[in-house]
Amino acid sequence: QKEVEQDPGPLSVPEGAIVSLNCTYSNSAFQYFMWYRQYSRKGPELLMYTYSSGNKEDGRFTAQVDKSSKYISLFIRDSQPSDSATYLCAMSPVGTNDYKLSFGAGTTVTVRA
Amino acid sequence: GAVVSQHPSRVICKSGTSVKIECRSLDFQATTMFWYRQFPKQSLMLMATSNEGSKATYEQGVEKDKFLINHASLTLSTLTVTSAHPEDSSFYICSARIPQQLAKNIQYFGAGTRLSVL
Repeated sequence: QKEVEQDPGPLSVPEGAIVSLNCTYSNSAFQYFMWYRQYSRKGPELLMYTYSSGNKEDGRFTAQVDKSSKYISLFIRDSQPSDSATYLCAMSPVGTNDYKLSFGAGTTVTVRA
Repeated sequence: GAVVSQHPSRVICKSGTSVKIECRSLDFQATTMFWYRQFPKQSLMLMATSNEGSKATYEQGVEKDKFLINHASLTLSTLTVTSAHPEDSSFYICSARIPQQLAKNIQYFGAGTRLSVL
């Protein structure tokens, strides 16, 4: 079993729809949860990060963490064609020495105009 | 946000040649930088951790003599693919953490380098 599970999709939605992405994980030591957006042939770009459980909102993006279920989500409201990309979840324990990020496989999203 | 610059973005070389990729932290000092490899439609695979002033730490299965890493300053790490062969063709990405966020282990990535070995 992988440490982080993420459905690779692909996911195709019409413009204006809500995009719902999620990851599950097995390591209860994870405390920081990140979402990255990666356009084709580009490096990942940090979208949001959250600490422990709870919600965080930034514009059209909302990140949720449910540590009791070991489940994290990213919602994109009013999706735009420019949101078409691969979305990677990543997570890490607390601490400067445990530096490795655990990544999901990435979900490819296409927003149709 | 933090900016990590990676150069070149694209390299095409002949088999047997060596290729150097640079990774710079533009507005912060990074004592540690990370090098990843990404195959098409796959997630990132950590290759090694670059440590300023000391030897890099390689992940299991990564050849140290094939992938030479040098972290000579607090803002620059280089990855040299030595005697490159077609199987080394891939997308290489570096990342760094800003000092204020070390405990959060939030990594900022470069734009990546696409290496094609003919």
